[in-house]
Amino acid sequence: NAGVTQTPKFQVLKTGQSMTLQCAQDMNHEYMSWYRQDPGMGLRLIHYSVGAGITDQGEVPNGYNVSRSTTEDFPLRLLSAAPSQTSVYFCASSYTETSGEYNEQFFGPGTRLTVL
Amino acid sequence: GESVGLHLPTLSVQEGDNSIINCAYSNSASDYFIWYKQESGKGPQFIIDIRSNMDKRQGQRVTVLLNKTVKHLSLQIAATQPGDSAVYFCAENTWGGFKTIFGAGTRLFVKA
Repeated sequence: NAGVTQTPKFQVLKTGQSMTLQCAQDMNHEYMSWYRQDPGMGLRLIHYSVGAGITDQGEVPNGYNVSRSTTEDFPLRLLSAAPSQTSVYFCASSYTETSGEYNEQFFGPGTRLTVL
Repeated sequence: GESVGLHLPTLSVQEGDNSIINCAYSNSASDYFIWYKQESGKGPQFIIDIRSNMDKRQGQRVTVLLNKTVKHLSLQIAATQPGDSAVYFCAENTWGGFKTIFGAGTRLFVKA
């Protein structure tokens, strides 16, 4: 299994440009999520999905769109990039079992985005 | 290089010593408390979790302690190794919920 993969690894955008960060997982996980990581601030949840066709907002959703057409893929779209969106973006996935145990999240390697 | 981690609390320990990383949490209603490890240039990796009805849980070379009275969580690493050098995040999750909330992290530096 490749686990969680993200592309691209690095990206530089100009203010106002749009782009899509790709995320895919091959573990048949129902749950997928996007986080951004800024210096000294840990990870903040942007959007998440509990299955194909279902998405919801996290802590910092403004400026980002998501969709989930398949179990495997969960792309993150920046419609009009702003310098405040300069960050490292991580995609994660997990099962959604309700057996009472915590569902460990598996993270991708990240995409480092710079908006000029 | 890895810019994430600037201005984080830092713990420096000698190889072979035990490490204790502390975390204060805010939500008394959280059901799970979790520790993740992030090595430079990589995504976070799950280490261990503890349910809110437990005080202690042990894994391989790691122990997590939960003190609900003072809302405090700690991660103890026994016989710390250079490979343990990383940023460690505590996180909270509510059973049935889908939002894991992460803390700011602590950088552990292991001196050989």
